[in-house]
Amino acid sequence: AQTVTQSQPEMSVQEAETVTLSCTYDTSESDYYLFWYKQPPSRQMILVIRQEAYKQQNATENRFSVNFQKAAKSFSLKISDSQLGDAAMYFCAYRTNTGNQFYFGTGTSLTVIP
Amino acid sequence: DSGVTQTPKHLITATGQRVTLRCSPRSGDLSVYWYQQSLDQGLQFLIQYYNGEERAKGNILERFSAQQFPDLHSELNLSSLELGDSALYFCASSPQTGSGTDTQYFGPGTRLTVL
Repeated sequence: AQTVTQSQPEMSVQEAETVTLSCTYDTSESDYYLFWYKQPPSRQMILVIRQEAYKQQNATENRFSVNFQKAAKSFSLKISDSQLGDAAMYFCAYRTNTGNQFYFGTGTSLTVIP
Repeated sequence: DSGVTQTPKHLITATGQRVTLRCSPRSGDLSVYWYQQSLDQGLQFLIQYYNGEERAKGNILERFSAQQFPDLHSELNLSSLELGDSALYFCASSPQTGSGTDTQYFGPGTRLTVL
């Protein structure tokens, strides 16, 4: 069964600094998709970034980038130039190419210190 | 705004009661997913519908059921409610092009409180 692990329940970062959130997953599949979702206090789930496992190049979306290590089954999120609005719960999620459900980690609560 | 709408935003009810949560997917999306997020847990996948048919089932209790209507909106029915059913219930939609690349877009959630 697929599992997603986020080992950092809480993280903090100074405004304008860089922070990396960790995520590991367990799967026997070779083709799959990985996601980071952000859940601010409003509780809305917002897609941050997506990575296809068949792509070697790490995905980037503005200040957000990932470090995807397929062999290590690791998928970390780097937030550069952190802003106060980045404060939220961040969830890592996994989805197989053929399956229809997402598997979510338990989340990392990010605090941004002014 | 993801384009996915959920009603109601908040629902307070008593144990043993039955409630219905409603979800309207993004325009053009054929798939609807339901998730439960309890206070101390991550998101748990409940069930998925694609174009009116059940496609995948997760950790959904027998007291819970869902359906997707011809206009593609979906309803999640929760019956014989227990205190432990108090949670945030999310609906998500995706185009389901069949390529497996679909990204799910989440609604704002319905906060259910069972007293």
